[in-house]
Amino acid sequence: EAQVTQNPRYLITVTGKKLTVTCSQNMNHEYMSWYRQDPGLGLRQIYYSMNVEVTDKGDVPEGYKVSRKEKRNFPLILESPSPNQTSLYFCASSSTGVTSTDTQYFGPGTRLTVL
Amino acid sequence: AQSVTQLGSHVSVSEGALVLLRCNYSSSVPPYLFWYVQYPNQGLQLLLKYTSAATLVKGINGFEAEFKKSETSFHLTKPSAHMSDAAEYFCAVRMDTGRRALTFGSGTRLQVQP
Repeated sequence: EAQVTQNPRYLITVTGKKLTVTCSQNMNHEYMSWYRQDPGLGLRQIYYSMNVEVTDKGDVPEGYKVSRKEKRNFPLILESPSPNQTSLYFCASSSTGVTSTDTQYFGPGTRLTVL
Repeated sequence: AQSVTQLGSHVSVSEGALVLLRCNYSSSVPPYLFWYVQYPNQGLQLLLKYTSAATLVKGINGFEAEFKKSETSFHLTKPSAHMSDAAEYFCAVRMDTGRRALTFGSGTRLQVQP
């Protein structure tokens, strides 16, 4: 089954304790992205990656890091989480074929609470 | 810059009634437009997308949307609501740029009353 998986699905942590949220896709997609969802704001892009070893900032990158060492994986790293990073996080992937409207497929989400 | 406005954070309809969820966009170039649905505790699922072909786009679960350039709108409709349609709906726009980021509206929560 084609899917995007995220782990963990729920995480409660404390300020300053480094954490990683994993994202993996089995569709051989070149493009991957992280979004955060906050009430009343919709989803906002944090970082994206056009392919292996190619990453760039989205709209709200402060406090986050990413890496893309393998095509299927795109982990989101919070080096020193703060309470304002409490949010619902989504990973997404899509192909980058000749048509630029390729659908983005979303993972199930990771609900993060930083105390 | 592109943006998306969804009018009405909550919409309530009776089962069998027409569903109309409003979306207006601003974009300096012809956009690509999407509607996603989010069921409780789940990720986002694509309902339909507009890619500059037909202005009336049909999606899954009986939903459709019409692109109206003159009104900069992409409203989502379904003729007859079902209880299973209760969810949050997001309109999104994407420019044809390398970043491929989707700009989302703030969402509309649809309630379906029996």
